[in-house]
Amino acid sequence: GAGVSQSPRYKVAKRGQDVALRCDPISGHVSLFWYQQALGQGPEFLTYFQNEAQLDKSGLPSDRFFAERPEGSVSTLKIQRTQQEDSAVYLCASSLRGRLGETQYFGPGTRLLVL
Amino acid sequence: AQSVTQLGSHVSVSEGALVLLRCNYSSSVPPYLFWYVQYPNQGLQLLLKYTSAATLVKGINGFEAEFKKSETSFHLTKPSAHMSDAAEYFCAVMFTGGGNKLTFGTGTQLKVEL
Repeated sequence: GAGVSQSPRYKVAKRGQDVALRCDPISGHVSLFWYQQALGQGPEFLTYFQNEAQLDKSGLPSDRFFAERPEGSVSTLKIQRTQQEDSAVYLCASSLRGRLGETQYFGPGTRLLVL
Repeated sequence: AQSVTQLGSHVSVSEGALVLLRCNYSSSVPPYLFWYVQYPNQGLQLLLKYTSAATLVKGINGFEAEFKKSETSFHLTKPSAHMSDAAEYFCAVMFTGGGNKLTFGTGTQLKVEL
């Protein structure tokens, strides 16, 4: 079966541009997570959805970051007025029910470079 | 504060040698523990996880890890390294009471030499 997919795989943006990153979770997975991975670092949590509800957005670094999952499947992470410090790999993960201890399955990531 | 630490950002072993990658966590309540592997330009792949069943957990590709509550550790081992094991390895923790988000260590880059 298909895993988690993300698009685009690579994105180059000029500072100040808005970008939108897409995540298609595994079909039927209720929970969806976004993580940010800076160069040489481990991924850091950004936000979490259970179906269409955004239950935790404590990791979003600023109000320029916005995520949505309107129909409880595909999710979009939007970054407004991009800055150089936003350059990172953005990873999406999904899990079946979002229960504690459940495995999260990761997509290949979107590598964002802000010039 | 709850945290996860991976000792050694780079580990180098000879092919056929023992692999030992260290992970320690800081929490008063035993969390759920995971090891993921990341190959270049790919996402994270689950190697194994501990969810309060057996303390010795076996995973894919011959890896295993042992949960030691007294040492707050979850070190990853493999008896005999293979060239294909060269990758970055991340220990991740799901803390009880912290929602179900993962907190990752900074990663260990494993190099396997002939």
